[in-house]
Amino acid sequence: NAGVTQTPKFQVLKTGQSMTLQCAQDMNHEYMSWYRQDPGMGLRLIHYSVGAGITDQGEVPNGYNVSRSTTEDFPLRLLSAAPSQTSVYFCASSYGLAGSGDEQFFGPGTRLTVL
Amino acid sequence: GENVEQHPSTLSVQEGDSAVIKCTYSDSASNYFPWYKQELGKRPQLIIDIRSNVGEKKDQRIAVTLNKTAKHFSLHITETQPEDSAVYFCAAILRNNNDMRFGAGTRLTVKP
Repeated sequence: NAGVTQTPKFQVLKTGQSMTLQCAQDMNHEYMSWYRQDPGMGLRLIHYSVGAGITDQGEVPNGYNVSRSTTEDFPLRLLSAAPSQTSVYFCASSYGLAGSGDEQFFGPGTRLTVL
Repeated sequence: GENVEQHPSTLSVQEGDSAVIKCTYSDSASNYFPWYKQELGKRPQLIIDIRSNVGEKKDQRIAVTLNKTAKHFSLHITETQPEDSAVYFCAAILRNNNDMRFGAGTRLTVKP
């Protein structure tokens, strides 16, 4: 199993550009989520999905869109990048809900810089 | 809003000593509290977790304690080793069972 994979590993954008961060898992997990990690602030939940076709907002959803057309994939879209979105982005997945006690597996992260 | 406070932000101990990291949470309905370890440039990895119906849980040199009344929980690492050096994050799940809130992290350095 590849686990949770993310692409790209690094990305530099100009303000106003759009892009999609890719996330895929091959563990047949129902729950997938996106976090951003900023220095000194831990991880903050952006969006999550409890299954194909179902998504919801987390703590910091503004400026991001998600969709879940398949169990395996959960892309994160930045509609119009802003410098405040410079961060490291982690995708995670688990068999059950985040509070179920099932371990959340994190991807390797995408380091995004917005100039 | 709902949040998780974590202390200290940095902790330096001598190899073999114990390390304790403390977190408090605000949502009294929170019922799941995981701890993650993140090495430099790597992804977070779950090291131990505890549910609200349990007061303490141990796994070899790592233990977590929970005080629901006071709304705080702690990570205890005994006989620390240099490979324990990393950033540790606590987290608490909100009542909807989907939204996990993380503390700001503790950078632990174990000196050989």
